[in-house]
Amino acid sequence: RKEVEQDPGPFNVPEGATVAFNCTYSNSASQSFFWYRQDCRKEPKLLMSVYSSGNEDGRFTAQLNRASQYISLLIRDSKLSDSATYLCVVNIATDKLIFGTGTRLQVFP
Amino acid sequence: DTAVSQTPKYLVTQMGNDKSIKCEQNLGHDTMYWYKQDSKKFLKIMFSYNNKELIINETVPNRFSPKSPDKAHLNLHINSLELGDSAVYFCASSQVPKNYEQYFGPGTRLTVT
Repeated sequence: RKEVEQDPGPFNVPEGATVAFNCTYSNSASQSFFWYRQDCRKEPKLLMSVYSSGNEDGRFTAQLNRASQYISLLIRDSKLSDSATYLCVVNIATDKLIFGTGTRLQVFP
Repeated sequence: DTAVSQTPKYLVTQMGNDKSIKCEQNLGHDTMYWYKQDSKKFLKIMFSYNNKELIINETVPNRFSPKSPDKAHLNLHINSLELGDSAVYFCASSQVPKNYEQYFGPGTRLTVT
């Protein structure tokens, strides 16, 4: 079983739509959780951290369920510029990140 | 004002050759990393260095040898290149205690023919 699993997509949604991505992780000792974004042929960039109580950053909401080892990302009012691959990331040790293979989002006009 | 830079951006070479990729960060970070992203887009850590000291060394063939001359530089040398080494190699850096916030370089696309 992969350490971090994501639905690869692609998710094709119209502008303005709400879309949700899910992610599961296998290591119950995982300490912290993040979403990174990777544009086509570019480097990954940190999008947001994921806290147990859930957290929001503008149109983006992240949720964590430690009991189910499940992380989600919700994007409201999708923009064309949101088109990218979203990587679920788990922090196992102090500086070791485990990346999921990503979920591709394509927002169309 | 590039934060993490890598050279070269593209590298095409034949099997059996030896090549190096250079990485520099001007963020003043203590920790640097090498990642490999394969054709399936799976991004996997290879090495991490903290203040020039090797911290993480994943199961990577010993044909791969990282070198950190100072904390702003982490180079990757690959001996006897194989077809399976074709991938995008990303360098990244971070600063304690926020080592989860890693800043990636633009990547080096290596093609072995």
